[in-house]
Amino acid sequence: DAGVIQSPRHEVTEMGQEVTLRCKPISGHDYLFWYRQTMMRGLELLIYFNNNVPIDDSGMPEDRFSAKMPNASFSTLKIQPSEPRDSAVYFCASSPGGNSYNEQFFGPGTRLTVL
Amino acid sequence: LAKTTQPISMDSYEGQEVNITCSHNNIATNDYITWYQQFPSQGPRFIIQGYKTKVTNEVASLFIPADRKSSTLSLPRVSLSDTAVYYCLVGDNTGFQKLVFGTGTRLLVSP
Repeated sequence: DAGVIQSPRHEVTEMGQEVTLRCKPISGHDYLFWYRQTMMRGLELLIYFNNNVPIDDSGMPEDRFSAKMPNASFSTLKIQPSEPRDSAVYFCASSPGGNSYNEQFFGPGTRLTVL
Repeated sequence: LAKTTQPISMDSYEGQEVNITCSHNNIATNDYITWYQQFPSQGPRFIIQGYKTKVTNEVASLFIPADRKSSTLSLPRVSLSDTAVYYCLVGDNTGFQKLVFGTGTRLLVSP
């Protein structure tokens, strides 16, 4: 398996624009996670899905952020409108198990810069 | 919520043993302790996990005392390629929001 795939790897956009980040989890993994990483706050969990259903989105910073998982092999994280403070590295991860001690497999991340 | 505390950074030299200690005073009975490693420009990757006593794999050892209020990740004979951020996490079979990565420990290995 190729691992978790994320696209794009880098995104530069202007404030106010819509940004869509994409993720393909490892086949057979029932759990998918979206994280945001910044120097100040470290790695934060934004939302996670189980069998394509959002389970907990309490980490999503505000209504400008939304995430979907239309099928088992694809998820998106959308920011609309984007703001400079959204600049960060966004990671997608997947896991075969539903316990928080189960190993999570991370993608390479998308580095987002909002000007 | 079992909060973890670990040093912000550590420095070492090639060939030395490095021990990173994580404090988790409020660890619950069902909690496991997991360590992840993150290289620059990459996502974190799982390196070791334990519940109590000692666990060893090809990458590291994890020491957990009887009271489980702390744990120590031991990296034997580090090399330059061990320069990374190391995260200590505590989690059980409940929701993932309890699993907090935070900022981790930044290990710098020098020649």
